[in-house]
Amino acid sequence: NAGVTQTPKFRILKIGQSMTLQCAQDMNHNYMYWYRQDPGMGLKLIYYSVGAGITDKGEVPNGYNVSRSTTEDFPLRLELAAPSQTSVYFCASSYPPVKAGETYNEQFFGPGTRLTVL
Amino acid sequence: AQTVTQSQPEMSVQEAETVTLSCTYDTSENNYYLFWYKQPPSRQMILVIRQEAYKQQNATENRFSVNFQKAAKSFSLKISDSQLGDTAMYFCAFMKRSSNSGYALNFGKGTSLLVTP
Repeated sequence: NAGVTQTPKFRILKIGQSMTLQCAQDMNHNYMYWYRQDPGMGLKLIYYSVGAGITDKGEVPNGYNVSRSTTEDFPLRLELAAPSQTSVYFCASSYPPVKAGETYNEQFFGPGTRLTVL
Repeated sequence: AQTVTQSQPEMSVQEAETVTLSCTYDTSENNYYLFWYKQPPSRQMILVIRQEAYKQQNATENRFSVNFQKAAKSFSLKISDSQLGDTAMYFCAFMKRSSNSGYALNFGKGTSLLVTP
């Protein structure tokens, strides 16, 4: 299994440009997540999805959009890039926990995309 | 909302010694998970250890163990016999056991650990 893959690894955008960060997983996980990591900070949740066709906002959703048309893919769209969106973006996936005592849902992370907006 | 606080931005330890990283959290939830993740310079997020809040026994994974104090909302990580490969950023994270948050992780700001020869 490839696990969670992200493309591209690096990208430089100009202010106002748009782009899509790709994320795919081959573990048949229901849940997928997008986090951003600003310098010297922990990860913050942008959006998440509990299954194909279902998405919801996280802590920092402004300036981003997502879609989930398949179980495998969860792309993140930046419509009008701004310098404040310079960050490292991580995609993750997991099964949801069902009940105490069962093997719980570890989140598996992709390698990240480093985005710079100039 | 849950907050996770790591009060030690940087720490240093000599090889083979023991080091403890601190983490406190604030929540009104009763059912949750706590985690420590390691992020080496490669940026890959690696799960180190996890703790279910309903379990009183502290989790251990080889050289890594936690001290979970539920009443004090404290979750520290102890690394024994530190190795050079332990040099990394360490993040404490909280997860509610309820579907309305999507089981997402709340992270602290991290502690940068340097293991020296």
